[in-house]
Amino acid sequence: DARVTQTPRHKVTEMGQEVTMRCQPILGHNTVFWYRQTMMQGLELLAYFRNRAPLDDSGMPKDRFSAEMPDATLATLKIQPSEPRDSAVYFCASGLTWGGSGDEQFFGPGTRLTVL
Amino acid sequence: AQKVTQAQTEISVVEKEDVTLDCVYETRDTTYYLFWYKQPPSGELVFLIRRNSFDEQNEISGRYSWNFQKSTSSFNFTITASQVVDSAVYFCALSEAGANNLFFGTGTRLTVIP
Repeated sequence: DARVTQTPRHKVTEMGQEVTMRCQPILGHNTVFWYRQTMMQGLELLAYFRNRAPLDDSGMPKDRFSAEMPDATLATLKIQPSEPRDSAVYFCASGLTWGGSGDEQFFGPGTRLTVL
Repeated sequence: AQKVTQAQTEISVVEKEDVTLDCVYETRDTTYYLFWYKQPPSGELVFLIRRNSFDEQNEISGRYSWNFQKSTSSFNFTITASQVVDSAVYFCALSEAGANNLFFGTGTRLTVIP
């Protein structure tokens, strides 16, 4: 049963600290997404990659957030420095896309981040 | 601009009742895709269904059914004979042609009371 995995599941940190969240997409999937879920904003897209290349990161605050895919089995989302308003659940999702759209995305369990 | 509206914030039903979750969308594209996801208390988002804009056939999967009507820009989800395990937040989402990202509605929290 292939699943997207995310680590850590929970993270509590202090304001100003660096936070790194990791995601392992489903083997063979070529598209990876990062979403953030908050009570106020709901689910919003931060960034996504296809074949490891960033396609859209317009939803991400560029001054403190960065997303990368060092290889096909690992995606990372970093926040430096973290702020209390970054507290949210961060989801990674992966999918198999052949240049089109509308393919279902499979979500990981999320990382619940709390910045004090 | 694309938009997904789920007007029902919370719904409570008694077990075995039928319940319909509403979803209304806006898009200028003629080719688009609609999705429903379930988020149980565990927090994970579970894919339920995808429809493309050219396929208005209703779909049934067990106790779940979906009614897609382009004329009213709606993609409603019905659970028949609800069960306690159906308690979750349900999200409707839209993806436009050429884009891979999903635009989510705000979700409907369904509580099924035993």
